[in-house]
Amino acid sequence: KAGVTQTPRYLIKTRGQQVTLSCSPISGHRSVSWYQQTPGQGLQFLFEYFSETQRNKGNFPGRFSGRQFSNSRSEMNVSTLELGDSALYLCASSLGLRDRVGEQFFGPGTRLTVL
Amino acid sequence: TQLLEQSPQFLSIQEGENLTVYCNSSSVFSSLQWYRQEPGEGPVLLVTVVTGGEVKKLKRLTFQFGDARKDSSLHITAAQPGDTGLYLCAGGSSYKLIFGSGTRLLVRP
Repeated sequence: KAGVTQTPRYLIKTRGQQVTLSCSPISGHRSVSWYQQTPGQGLQFLFEYFSETQRNKGNFPGRFSGRQFSNSRSEMNVSTLELGDSALYLCASSLGLRDRVGEQFFGPGTRLTVL
Repeated sequence: TQLLEQSPQFLSIQEGENLTVYCNSSSVFSSLQWYRQEPGEGPVLLVTVVTGGEVKKLKRLTFQFGDARKDSSLHITAAQPGDTGLYLCAGGSSYKLIFGSGTRLLVRP
C-alpha cells in the first residue's frame, strides 16, 4: 500500500508570494491533517479535513487555508508569505473516526523556505 | 490550552544503556501516541495507548500510559544506534494531535 505523498518536497519563495502544497493520503483514508514543524515551536496543528469538511483548525492566521477534494486529496495554501513561515509542512492521513482523528500516517513533508 | 511536556529534551547515551523518556500534561487525553522522526522524514507511529495504566511492549521498547491518562513514558532497553532519532509524544483531542516538544536521542556506538 502506497504511503502518504506530498508535493513538492522543497520550495523556495520570497516574502509576499503565495504557495500551494499538495498531499495525497493513503488509499482508503478519509482524514487529512496538516502540521507545521519548526525548530522553535515543534510540531503545530494547522487543520484537519474529513470528507471535504474542516473539522478542526489550529491557532494560525487566516493566511493559512486548506481544502480537501472528493478523492480525499488535500491542498493547503499560504498567502502573503512571511519569513516566519519557513518550516517543514507535514501532511498526515488516517481512517478518520467519527469522534477522533485516530492513528496518523505522515508524509515526508514539504520544506518551505521563504527569502 | 492543552500542552504536552517531554523530558529530557536531549539524551546522548552509549550503545547498550537503558533510557526512559517522559511525556506529561495537566490535561486528560483520549489517547496518546508515540512517534519517531528521522532527519528529512515525517514522524513514524510507534504505538497508540488508550487505556489508563496500559502497558505495551514492542521488542526493546516499553510504553506506559498513566492511570489518569495525563502522562506516558517510553523505556528503551539496551539502546542501539538505530534507535537514534527524535521521539515525539502526541495526545489525541477533538480531531487533532497535540505534540510534545520532543526528545532528541543519540545512541553512540
